[in-house]
Amino acid sequence: EIVLTQSPGTLSLSPGERATLSCRASQSVSGDYLTWYQQRPGQAPRLLIYRTSTRATGIVDRFSGSGSGTDFTLTITRLEPEDFAVYYCQHYGGSPLYTFGQGTKLEIK
Amino acid sequence: QVQLQESGPGLVKPSQTLSLTCTVSSGSMSGYSYSWSWIRQPAGKGLEWIGRAGSNNNNPSLKGRVTISIDTSQNQFSLRLTSVTAADTAVYYCAREYKPLYYDYYYMDVWGKGTTVTVSS
Repeated sequence: EIVLTQSPGTLSLSPGERATLSCRASQSVSGDYLTWYQQRPGQAPRLLIYRTSTRATGIVDRFSGSGSGTDFTLTITRLEPEDFAVYYCQHYGGSPLYTFGQGTKLEIK
Repeated sequence: QVQLQESGPGLVKPSQTLSLTCTVSSGSMSGYSYSWSWIRQPAGKGLEWIGRAGSNNNNPSLKGRVTISIDTSQNQFSLRLTSVTAADTAVYYCAREYKPLYYDYYYMDVWGKGTTVTVSS
């Protein structure tokens, strides 16, 4: 089973700052299978980035993804109030078919 | 734009079976590019994939308690989780999995709003 470990657990930043969120896999994975989601309070998760770095439809270019092997990163520049949420990375493939990281909460400082 | 809506009882007694349905609207369930999944989230915790509709591909952590059926004629897929305990209390989401043509990866591009299920006597 691929285990995804996200860090930090909570990230406290101010609007306008840059956020860097990490997702580390327990073994090397293909970047094709690494996805990021955003979940605002009381809402369902929302697709942000798939295939490590491809933004989903309607996602602004302040969001970017990168990485390979075991280390993947979600970067959010010029934080807006609506960006403060929980972010999850996800891996597709293997058993179970999908695994999620435990999430990083991005909170307003 | 396709939409997903979960429905079913909000309260289930311990040892009984949890049954939920996801209705897909404004779009077809058919197509090589799509599969359909259930995911759950206990209050204040992270996301757990439960299983994929119409396959035997379910999360081993649920120890064979899961059946996910699909009825494309009704644009629905359904979750059955047997022998529930308080640990199964969660928000349950259904989601569409999308596979781009010529690639072998999926991601969840459309989600339902979620439905809360509490297991309690």
